[in-house]
Amino acid sequence: TQLLEQSPQFLSIQEGENLTVYCNSSSVFSSLQWYRQEPGEGPVLLVTVVTGGEVKKLKRLTFQFGDARKDSSLHITAAQTGDTGLYLCRADKLIFGTGTRLQVFP
Amino acid sequence: GAVVSQHPSRVICKSGTSVKIECRSLDFQATTMFWYRQFPKQSLMLMATSNEGSKATYEQGVEKDKFLINHASLTLSTLTVTSAHPEDSSFYICSARFEGGGNTIYFGEGSWLTVV
Repeated sequence: TQLLEQSPQFLSIQEGENLTVYCNSSSVFSSLQWYRQEPGEGPVLLVTVVTGGEVKKLKRLTFQFGDARKDSSLHITAAQTGDTGLYLCRADKLIFGTGTRLQVFP
Repeated sequence: GAVVSQHPSRVICKSGTSVKIECRSLDFQATTMFWYRQFPKQSLMLMATSNEGSKATYEQGVEKDKFLINHASLTLSTLTVTSAHPEDSSFYICSARFEGGGNTIYFGEGSWLTVV
């Protein structure tokens, strides 16, 4: 079974701080998605990256796909309390990452 | 965007009974749907891939006789937890592949199952 490791597992920060979440694997993927999930709800798709080295921006969120298409990062600038949630990466083999639980305090 | 709906959102059942969860793609047809299970504060674990008109493909360690999956139409897949036990209590999430949009996967809202 392919494994997607996310780090950190938990992150607790204050509003206004920046943060980066990583998604790593030893496998090469044709695409990778990032999702955000709030308690009791299904994951919501944030972005899909398909090209090695690709960078996509979604407001304060910046997503990057590694050159070798084995890893990805999500950077949040000036975090807000509304960014609180479980962030999940998912690769094209339908395997989800281990998840990063983000808590942003006012 | 594409919408996937699950029903019920919450269900409580007695041990030994069976419970059915429905997953519907509301505005697109999905030949492939997926069922996940999620324990509190953990990531999603793929249980099975549901294929319209054929048998589901189960992941290793998932009991196919306990978690019955039926994908009878292009917009509906059902997961039936048979002879439920308290350890089956969990958050079950379905997703559907939107084949017209780069094979993007859209998720349902999830269903909380509590077995008492």
